[in-house]
Amino acid sequence: QSALTQPRSVSGSPGQSVTISCTGTSSDFSGYNSVSWYQQQHPDKAPKLIIYDVNKRPSGVPGRFSGSKSGNTASLTISGLQADDESDYYCCSNAGSYRVFGGGTKLTVL
Amino acid sequence: QLLLQESGPGLVKPSETLSLTCTVSGGSITSNNYYWAWIRQPPGKGLEWIASIYNSGTPYYSPSLRSRVTISIDTYKNQFSLKVTSVTAADTAFYYCARDIEPAARGYGYWGQGTLVTVSS
Repeated sequence: QSALTQPRSVSGSPGQSVTISCTGTSSDFSGYNSVSWYQQQHPDKAPKLIIYDVNKRPSGVPGRFSGSKSGNTASLTISGLQADDESDYYCCSNAGSYRVFGGGTKLTVL
Repeated sequence: QLLLQESGPGLVKPSETLSLTCTVSGGSITSNNYYWAWIRQPPGKGLEWIASIYNSGTPYYSPSLRSRVTISIDTYKNQFSLKVTSVTAADTAFYYCARDIEPAARGYGYWGQGTLVTVSS
């Protein structure tokens, strides 16, 4: 299977909102509660879960992070950008019997 | 607090088998209905899902790695393991073990710190 398609990079100024898209096939999103999102601030550190089950936030994740899905495209929106949000972001789909990650998006806070 | 810790050789020769173990502490590997997973990340590249195993022992594999990968669970030791056969330099990566945040949820909320495995002669 191929990785889900994410933009290589996005950018925004502090206080602005940015949206990262994640596109796949209908098979990629065929599983239950089909999308999660991860933030990885350092390349050799474990990613952090920021959105699960399409639009749920784990305890401790600010409400500035939100997720949605329409058809075969999932989206992560970060509002009120902060300097600390500068990271790599990955989506992950539940394809039923397996999962697929996106290629990752580097967010730059200008 | 649930903790996951990967262990295994940091250097594997080409064509040999990579073997890793994830030790779970702070909770039983058989409690509730969780999928325990292996995920890897080549240095400087993106995440790749490898395999997962249900606490009942049912395995699930990435279609692209299925022919070379085996995942297993040891409920007595509270561990689960990964084997990748016939490794090449392309298998050099940080390897992470992980678990979903809640039993019916789909999102890896718990991760090990990761272990770097280098394939080189």
